[in-house]
Amino acid sequence: GQQVMQIPQYQHVQEGEDFTTYCNSSTTLSNIQWYKQRPGGHPVFLIQLVKSGEVKKQKRLTFQFGEAKKNSSLHITATQTTDVGTYFCVGRQGAQKLVFGQGTRLTINP
Amino acid sequence: NAGVTQTPKFRVLKTGQSMTLLCAQDMNHEYMYWYRQDPGMGLRLIHYSVGEGTTAKGEVPDGYNVSRLKKQNFLLGLESAAPSQTSVYFCASSYSGQLSTDTQYFGPGTRLTVL
Repeated sequence: GQQVMQIPQYQHVQEGEDFTTYCNSSTTLSNIQWYKQRPGGHPVFLIQLVKSGEVKKQKRLTFQFGEAKKNSSLHITATQTTDVGTYFCVGRQGAQKLVFGQGTRLTINP
Repeated sequence: NAGVTQTPKFRVLKTGQSMTLLCAQDMNHEYMYWYRQDPGMGLRLIHYSVGEGTTAKGEVPDGYNVSRLKKQNFLLGLESAAPSQTSVYFCASSYSGQLSTDTQYFGPGTRLTVL
C-alpha cells in the first residue's frame, strides 16, 4: 500500500489565498517528485527534489524537501484559477521502489 | 515528438471479456509503467518494465498481464475483465530509474468501464 501520507486530501480556497500540501514518509526517500493533474487530464511533472533541506521555486510555487528527507511540501502563493487540479508527490525509496501520495485536490473560488 | 500515447481512449467491456491496452513512447525511454487511478485512491502501480523484454509486478498486478516486446511499446492485458477493473489507466515512461533521470511522462489515459 501507499507509504507516503499526503494531506490534506481536499482543499478549497478563494482565489488569491495561499495553498499548501504536505507529504510525509515513514522512511527516508532518495528523492521526491511533484506532479500536477488537471481535472480530466494526466499527471504532469513539476519538479524533483534530491538534497536534504532543498528548496526550489517556480514562480508562485515553492517546493521543500525536509532535512531528514522524509517529508516535503508544495506551497502556492496567491492562487489563481489555473492552479486548479490535483497535486501529488512521488517518493523514491532506495534504488527502485516508488511510493505515491494520494494527492491533494485543489479547487478555487474565483 | 508525440511523447506517450495510449490506445484506446475509452472502452466499455462486459464482465469476462478480454482486451489489450497499448502504450507507445517515442522518447527512447528504458522504463515504462502501467497505473490505475480510482477516485480517492491516487495512482497505483500495476506492472512496470525496466527494459525491452523485461516486466515486473507492481502494487496491484492481479488480473493483469503485460508485455514489452519492443522498447517503445508496453501492452497491458485484461484476460477476463471484472467490474472491479473499472478505472482510468495511465501509462508512463522514464529515461531510467536513476535518481536524476526518473521523471515520468504520462500518457493521456484510458477510461475503462466493465459492466
